[in-house]
Amino acid sequence: NAGVTQTPKFQVLKTGQSMTLQCAQDMNHNSMYWYRQDPGMGLRLIYYSASEGTTDKGEVPNGYNVSRLNKREFSLRLESAAPSQTSVYFCASTLNGYEQYFGPGTRLTVT
Amino acid sequence: RKEVEQDPGPFNVPEGATVAFNCTYSNSASQSFFWYRQDCRKEPKLLMSVYSSGNEDGRFTAQLNRASQYISLLIRDSKLSDSATYLCVGAAGGTSYGKLTFGQGTILTVHP
Repeated sequence: NAGVTQTPKFQVLKTGQSMTLQCAQDMNHNSMYWYRQDPGMGLRLIYYSASEGTTDKGEVPNGYNVSRLNKREFSLRLESAAPSQTSVYFCASTLNGYEQYFGPGTRLTVT
Repeated sequence: RKEVEQDPGPFNVPEGATVAFNCTYSNSASQSFFWYRQDCRKEPKLLMSVYSSGNEDGRFTAQLNRASQYISLLIRDSKLSDSATYLCVGAAGGTSYGKLTFGQGTILTVHP
């Protein structure tokens, strides 16, 4: 049982490049989330998917898009990366809404 | 003003000490509260839920005061392994089900 997995673990992008962060969970959870974590800001919700087939914006959605590919997978895409998107990105999933299980994170640097 | 605010610390305490963290929230629609723990360069993990009646899990006690919009976490007999960042988390109900609001975290270092 791997829990929540994320790829890649580290990434360096140049301004304007695009990339997709992948997330998968094997716990049969309905809801999945993408957060970013910046020093002094705490974790902030980017997008979430309450169930397969639905996605909604969180607190900081600008510059990102998401796809809930199936029940297991939820991807986050940066179409044109900016230095302000340098952050640690966490994916999470939950069965009951509140006990969220997090992946190990992706450390992204945009130069 | 942030929805969930914590004293960022850091708190440096010796082994065996008792330490308390406080957290305030501004959104009265928040219905549930939690403490998550995050080790350095790792993902957050649920430590415990917080109930109005207070709840205890071993050395950890959490308390919620809705009138004052205040949440606390008490750690007794601190261990070196308690060193981490403690995140205060609020959750609204209804259509915002599952959307968590995190405080910026309180850093705890327990030293020998």
